[in-house]
Amino acid sequence: EIVMTQSPATLSVSPGERATLSCRASQSVSSNLAWYQQKPGQAPRLLIYGASTRATNIPARFSGSGSGTEFTLTISSLQSEDFAVYYCQQYNNWPPYTFGQGAKLEIK
Amino acid sequence: EVQLVESGGGLVQPGGSLRLSCAASGFTFSSYATSWVRQAPGKGLEWVSVISGSGGSTYYADSVKGRFTISRDNSKNTLYLQMNSLRAEDTAVYYCAKSVRWDSSGYVDYWGQGTLVTVSS
Repeated sequence: EIVMTQSPATLSVSPGERATLSCRASQSVSSNLAWYQQKPGQAPRLLIYGASTRATNIPARFSGSGSGTEFTLTISSLQSEDFAVYYCQQYNNWPPYTFGQGAKLEIK
Repeated sequence: EVQLVESGGGLVQPGGSLRLSCAASGFTFSSYATSWVRQAPGKGLEWVSVISGSGGSTYYADSVKGRFTISRDNSKNTLYLQMNSLRAEDTAVYYCAKSVRWDSSGYVDYWGQGTLVTVSS
């Protein structure tokens, strides 16, 4: 089973600033990596797939990069609606599909 | 518009059974694999099971293998999860999620709002 590890667990950033979240896989997942955003009481929402492709209707301030075992989600200029929990998920070696433990982005 | 609406959650005693349903609309249901993903209270996401578009292939997380059964009725655009021998650690919100592919591989692009399952005496 591939273990996904996200860092940091919590990131405090001011609105308008840049946020960078990391995700590491225990073995290569190529570019088969997705990012999801989850707000309290809501279902997750797909942000990025293929490590770097934005999903439909996702603002350009969200970008993903990386391949192999190291991945990054960057939010270039934080808006109030971006404060949420973010999960990475690999879909290269399955079953099982595995998620990171989540990273909380909070307002500084 | 893609919609996934889960139902069937509730309170059940340890060792009991429950069947979850997920009604799909807004897309050709039989053309896409569908998954169940759960989230324990205050915890992260855990993939549970996936079924191919035809229903011919199914996969499970080790934590539920032998206790849960995923199935689908493409004539009713509905996904199911039969949960038997329930344990306290199965307590979670269960999400239905649509895959981007017909086979069981790939990521999911749409999620339902979830249904809460509580296993407690």
